Amino acid sequence: DADVTQTPRNRITKTGKRIMLECSQTKGHDRMYWYRQDPGLGLRLIYYSFDVKDINKGEISDGYSVSRQAQAKFSLSLESAIPNQTALYFCATSGGASGYNEQFFGPGTRLTVL
Amino acid sequence: KNEVEQSPQNLTAQEGEFITINCSYSVGISALHWLQQHPGGGIVSLFMLSSGKKKHGRLIATINIQEKHSSLHITASHPRDSAVYICAVGGTSYDKVIFGPGTSLSVIP
Repeated sequence: DADVTQTPRNRITKTGKRIMLECSQTKGHDRMYWYRQDPGLGLRLIYYSFDVKDINKGEISDGYSVSRQAQAKFSLSLESAIPNQTALYFCATSGGASGYNEQFFGPGTRLTVL
Repeated sequence: KNEVEQSPQNLTAQEGEFITINCSYSVGISALHWLQQHPGGGIVSLFMLSSGKKKHGRLIATINIQEKHSSLHITASHPRDSAVYICAVGGTSYDKVIFGPGTSLSVIP
């Protein structure tokens, strides 16, 4: 079984709809991240959480919100989706307090907003 | 100017060729990462290094901290190496990591 899972894998929605992307991990890591990837651009950090009670904005948090329901679950919400939020979204985890620990990525969610 | 740049942007090679992908960065870092993204989208970490050189199978990663430059080499390339290779530079925590735009590699039989 995959260590980091994302649901759904693909989603097409309409402008103005509320969307939730879910991430679960079995690695026992405290740290979880949400990124978006756009063609020609590097991964950009949306939100991150270093433990259940810790939520932090990343580089591009506007239009997004997150919930850390448990150590293993980190959800990303688009309150009112807009077309420029069409992208590939990745969840990732890492362990420990040092950035020297490897990051593990989920398979990605392809979101299209019409 | 982007903080992390990669070259080339796209690369096509014949099977068996030696491949080099370059990464240059403009910020101070504690670690540099190389990742591989397969056509299906999945991302896998290949290397994390802060100095010198690391080798894993046919992959070799080097870093020159003074020149703010890293290279990823693939020896005896194979079609299964076809992927996007991403360089990322970081501080002491992943919330400070900056990702490059990636290099798309296609290895032709």
